[in-house]
Amino acid sequence: NAGVTQTPKFQVLKTGQSMTLQCAQDMNHEYMSWYRQDPGMGLRLIHYSVGAGITDQGEVPNGYNVSRSTTEDFPLRLLSAAPSQTSVYFCASSTGWEQYFGPGTRLTVT
Amino acid sequence: GESVGLHLPTLSVQEGDNSIINCAYSNSASDYFIWYKQESGKGPQFIIDIRSNMDKRQGQRVTVLLNKTVKHLSLQIAATQPGDSAVYFCAEPNPPGAQKLVFGQGTRLTINP
Repeated sequence: NAGVTQTPKFQVLKTGQSMTLQCAQDMNHEYMSWYRQDPGMGLRLIHYSVGAGITDQGEVPNGYNVSRSTTEDFPLRLLSAAPSQTSVYFCASSTGWEQYFGPGTRLTVT
Repeated sequence: GESVGLHLPTLSVQEGDNSIINCAYSNSASDYFIWYKQESGKGPQFIIDIRSNMDKRQGQRVTVLLNKTVKHLSLQIAATQPGDSAVYFCAEPNPPGAQKLVFGQGTRLTINP
């Protein structure tokens, strides 16, 4: 199993550009989530999904959209990037409380 | 705001010594806690968990202690090795019973040779 995969690994955007961060898992987990991690801080939940077709907001959802059309994939969309969205983004999946994290995407918005 | 927090942002120990990383929580209804390890450039990795009906749980070289009276838990790493260098996070479901996790800010553990 590949576990949780994320693409791209690095990305630089200009303010106002849009992009999608990809996340996929091959463990048939129902629960998936997106976090952002800023320097010196823990992980903050952006959006999460308890199954295909179901998504909900986390702690810091503004500026981000998600969808869950399949069990395997949970993309995160930035519609109009802002410098405040410069961060490292982690996707995770789980069946219970033990969450499996992807390797992260480092995003810089200039 | 966060319901879990860590006492120290950094901890430096000598190789071979024991490490103790602390975490406090505020919700007396919290019933499950998890410790994650994050190595540089990687995603967090599950280490050990504990339920509120336990005071102590042991894994391989790691022990988690839970003191519900003072709402405090700690992660103890025995005979710390260079590979233990990482940031350690405590986390808990929020609200209790949910799959959503809230993470503390993390403690960076540095091992001195």
